[in-house]
Order: sequence, then C-alpha cells, then structure tokens
Amino acid sequence: DTGVSQNPRHKITKRGQNVTFRCDPISEHNRLYWYRQTLGQGPEFLTYFQNEAQLEKSRLLSDRFSAERPKGSFSTLEIQRTEQGDSAMYLCASSTRTGEETQYFGPGTRLLVL
Amino acid sequence: KNEVEQSPQNLTAQEGEFITINCSYSVGISALHWLQQHPGGGIVSLFMLSSGKKKHGRLIATINIQEKHSSLHITASHPRDSAVYICAAGGAGGSQGNLIFGKGTKLSVKP
Repeated sequence: DTGVSQNPRHKITKRGQNVTFRCDPISEHNRLYWYRQTLGQGPEFLTYFQNEAQLEKSRLLSDRFSAERPKGSFSTLEIQRTEQGDSAMYLCASSTRTGEETQYFGPGTRLLVL
Repeated sequence: KNEVEQSPQNLTAQEGEFITINCSYSVGISALHWLQQHPGGGIVSLFMLSSGKKKHGRLIATINIQEKHSSLHITASHPRDSAVYICAAGGAGGSQGNLIFGKGTKLSVKP
C-alpha cells in the first residue's frame, strides 16, 4: 500500500515531555499537511509544506510545536514540553503540487498527555 | 461563528432512506471538499468540487457558489454508510493549502 502512513499510531506521554510524530506521504505528492483534531470537532489546520519549504503555519502552532520536512519527503512534527491540552489526533495529509487536488489522509497519531 | 457550518450535527436514518447533509461557508473558496471519517480516525476524501455537481456511486455532491452552500446526498443508504461526514473549504482567504473544516455530521444508518 502506498498511501499516507503515520507513526506512531498512538502515543501516551507525561506532561512536560517532548514527543515527535512522523508522516510519510504518497511518494509523488509534493504537498504535505498537518492537522489536529480534538474529540467531537473537525480537524484544524496546523501547517503545510511544499517540498521542503514550510509555506504556511496556523496561529495554533505555538512555539512548542515545530515541523520539518528536510528532504521534501517524510515530515516530522515535534511538540516540546507537552501539555494536557495537546491531547488530540494529529493527522497528516498529502496532495499533488497544485494544492487544488484531493488531499489524502493518513490514519493519524493519537496523543494522550497525562 | 465558524467559517464552515454543517447541519445536522447528528443524523439517524433507516436503511434505504435518502440522506442530505448541508454545508454553508462564509469565506471565499477555491474548492469545497467532502470527507468521510470512520471510527478510529481514518479520513477518506469523497469529493472535491468547485462548481455544479459530482456523483460517485450512491453519493452526490452539489455546490452553489453564489449561495456559498453545498450538499452531500446519499441515496439508498446502508448501515456501512455510518460515519462522520465533514465538509471543508479549500483555498479560503487565498490560502494555497489550508482547509477549514466543519465540525462534521455524525450519520447512523439503522438496518
């Protein structure tokens, strides 16, 4: 299967710890998106990359959050000094260069901060 | 007020019924997406449309750009259609990639 993959699928951490999530997009997709979804809500945009360039960041992405896509392929999302409010599903999606095409979503990483 | 509003929030139907889910948006967009999310989180893109109507199997999506409104219809509904259906506005505010999502409509189809 060459869909979008995310690792880990689940993460439980203690408040104050750092966590890192990985997303591997569909190989020919230049655009990669990160979203966050809390229970009962629709996803919210965090940031997106075109190739290795981070082109847009939401105000939701505080200084504790950083995302990278160093070689324009996989991406990582790091959360430093996690807080209980960071508990959510973190979704990754990819699309073709234009950005006007369908976004293909990964299965998500569910984070629980205790 | 959210920029993308969906109704109803919850919907229960009997198998075979015709279902309509509505989405209104208050921002200028380049495309409107309909997505399906099953329990466990997996999201599947159903449609992306910028005008008119699209059909795929029993699913039909329409959009009225002037009225900033879109509908998702499911004909001959089936229990396997039970999921959360989310509409999302693409290209809002000139953004090249940002999707603004509605809160979703939770559909339950009873046999």
